[in-house]
Amino acid sequence: EVQLVQSGAEVKKPGESLKISCKGSGYSFTDYWIAWVRQIPGKGLEWMGIIYPSDSDTRYSPSFQGQVTISADKSISTAYLQWSSLKASDTATYYCAKSLGGGERRAFDIWGQGTMVTVSS
Amino acid sequence: DIQMTQSPSSLSASVGDRVTISCRASQGISKYLAWYQQKPGKVPKLLIYAASTLRSGVPSRFSGSGSGTDFTLTISSLQPEDVATYYCQKYDSAPWTFGQGTKVEIK
Repeated sequence: EVQLVQSGAEVKKPGESLKISCKGSGYSFTDYWIAWVRQIPGKGLEWMGIIYPSDSDTRYSPSFQGQVTISADKSISTAYLQWSSLKASDTATYYCAKSLGGGERRAFDIWGQGTMVTVSS
Repeated sequence: DIQMTQSPSSLSASVGDRVTISCRASQGISKYLAWYQQKPGKVPKLLIYAASTLRSGVPSRFSGSGSGTDFTLTISSLQPEDVATYYCQKYDSAPWTFGQGTKVEIK
């Protein structure tokens, strides 16, 4: 079964660092893009960025460039989303998602279960 | 960056009605468009990719059309289980922006 399993919920204080993970299984991890998507409670989906695990080619949304770091360790089929200094406005659920394929098939067919991040003093 | 604008932002329709949701790109994106369904408290689900290709396992009452800048998601006969928020997404080039969503409710 193809699946993405994300790390558990986090409660952090403003200014703290955080790295959440997304482990792929049941498919060739290096052959498909992995994206990170933010959803603030009650709001819509926001595309943060994407990585191609084979060569770590990474693209960011201008809204998130410099605010987060996306990385991947292909040896353990895991992608990461990292903050160096969290803000209260980072409180959200974060999803990872894999692409269906290349070209016109780059839509996201498999999603992780989501990681809820709460940042509060 | 290309902006994706969905309309309406919400709609209420009766069971069996034909429902149409529009998604407009501020510049042409060929057919690099997907539609997702997100039910309350659930993970988004891919319905359609390449503007009009129905993902395997998705009911045939869902269909997509369009290319360039104007796209449409149609539900031919609205069912109670279709209550959800629907998002379009472009993926021609980064950023792969989502529309703001359309909330569908039953009247």
